[in-house]
Amino acid sequence: NAGVTQTPKFQVLKTGQSMTLQCAQDMNHEYMSWYRQDPGMGLRLIHYSVGAGITDQGEVPNGYNVSRSTTEDFPLRLLSAAPSQTSVYFCASSYSRRTGGRRANYGYTFGSGTRLTVV
Amino acid sequence: GNSVTQMEGPVTLSEEAFLTINCTYTATGYPSLFWYVQYPGEGLQLLLKATKADDKGSNKGFEATYRKETTSFHLEKGSVQVSDSAVYFCALSDNNAGNMLTFGGGTRLMVKP
Repeated sequence: NAGVTQTPKFQVLKTGQSMTLQCAQDMNHEYMSWYRQDPGMGLRLIHYSVGAGITDQGEVPNGYNVSRSTTEDFPLRLLSAAPSQTSVYFCASSYSRRTGGRRANYGYTFGSGTRLTVV
Repeated sequence: GNSVTQMEGPVTLSEEAFLTINCTYTATGYPSLFWYVQYPGEGLQLLLKATKADDKGSNKGFEATYRKETTSFHLEKGSVQVSDSAVYFCALSDNNAGNMLTFGGGTRLMVKP
């Protein structure tokens, strides 16, 4: 059971280049999300998905695209890299359950991160 | 919207000292609350969680109690070790569709021998 797998671990891009950060989970979690981590700002949500074929924007979506064609995979695409996108990117998956009439989130699992530098 | 505020670091302690990292939140409804830990060069690991008021989450000697009346979820440990040096993040999920987490800015803990 690998959990959440992110590739690559490190990447250097030139301004204007495009690339895709890969994320895969093998836990059959319905929810997946991408966060970026910047110094002193915690993690901020970029995009998320509540299931295959369904995605939505988070707090900082500009410059990024996502798709969710399968339950397992949730790639993040940088369309035209900019220095402001230099960051550490984390993918996460989770599930929810309804207990006693209340819905609660469980099982948040993070990948090991991708450190991206845009020069 | 949702927000999480935690004390700024770095927090520097001697080994075996008592640790408190404050965390307060703003959210609608009944959020779930989490503490995550990030060791140098690694991803985030769930440290503990609480899903309803007055729940106490605990793990590896760390504890935090979900206080709805004060909207707080402070992290405590009675005796820290050098191996506890890491960045700690408080987070909440409002349990709505999407399962998103809202994070605090993180608190760096440094424990000296």
